[in-house]
Amino acid sequence: NAGVTQTPKFQVLKTGQSMTLQCAQDMNHNSMYWYRQDPGMGLRLIYYSASEGTTDKGEVPNGYNVSRLNKREFSLRLESAAPSQTSVYFCASSEWASGYNEQFFGPGTRLTVL
Amino acid sequence: EDKVVQSPLSLVVHEGDTVTLNCSYEVTNFRSLLWYKQEKKAPTFLFMLTSSGIEKKSGRLSSILDKKELFSILNITATQTGDSAIYLCALGGSNYKLTFGKGTLLTVNP
Repeated sequence: NAGVTQTPKFQVLKTGQSMTLQCAQDMNHNSMYWYRQDPGMGLRLIYYSASEGTTDKGEVPNGYNVSRLNKREFSLRLESAAPSQTSVYFCASSEWASGYNEQFFGPGTRLTVL
Repeated sequence: EDKVVQSPLSLVVHEGDTVTLNCSYEVTNFRSLLWYKQEKKAPTFLFMLTSSGIEKKSGRLSSILDKKELFSILNITATQTGDSAIYLCALGGSNYKLTFGKGTLLTVNP
């Protein structure tokens, strides 16, 4: 039982390059989330998927797209990376039930955009 | 819009001290308040407080929720260097999202 896994762990991009961050969970959770974490800013929600087949914008969606490939997998795509997207990205999953939303986090991807 | 404010933003103590971390919030429709600990990796879950569970305790850590005054505190007694981390407070409303505060960076010196 691996929980939430993310790939890659580290990535360096040049401005304008694209990439996809992968996330998978094996807890059979319905909901999945992508966050970014910058120093002193806590966790900010980029996109989330309440259930398979749905996706919604979070607090900071500009410059990102997501795909809920199936119940297990939720990917985050940067189409044209910018230095402002340098951050640590966390994927999380939960079995949301009436507002009780304990989220489990993956190990994170550290992305640097030059 | 839901809002979470944590204080202090950073704190330095000596081993053995007791610390209190604060989390105040504004929410339209309260469901839960969660505390996470983050060392140099992913956040890990500590406690979830709800209307039916306003106090939680695990070892040296404890937390209470005051729904009237809209705040929660996380207490750590007899601190150890292993308690050094960022402590995150998160608010669960009636939607699928958690709203996180900016966190409190706790440093415990030997």
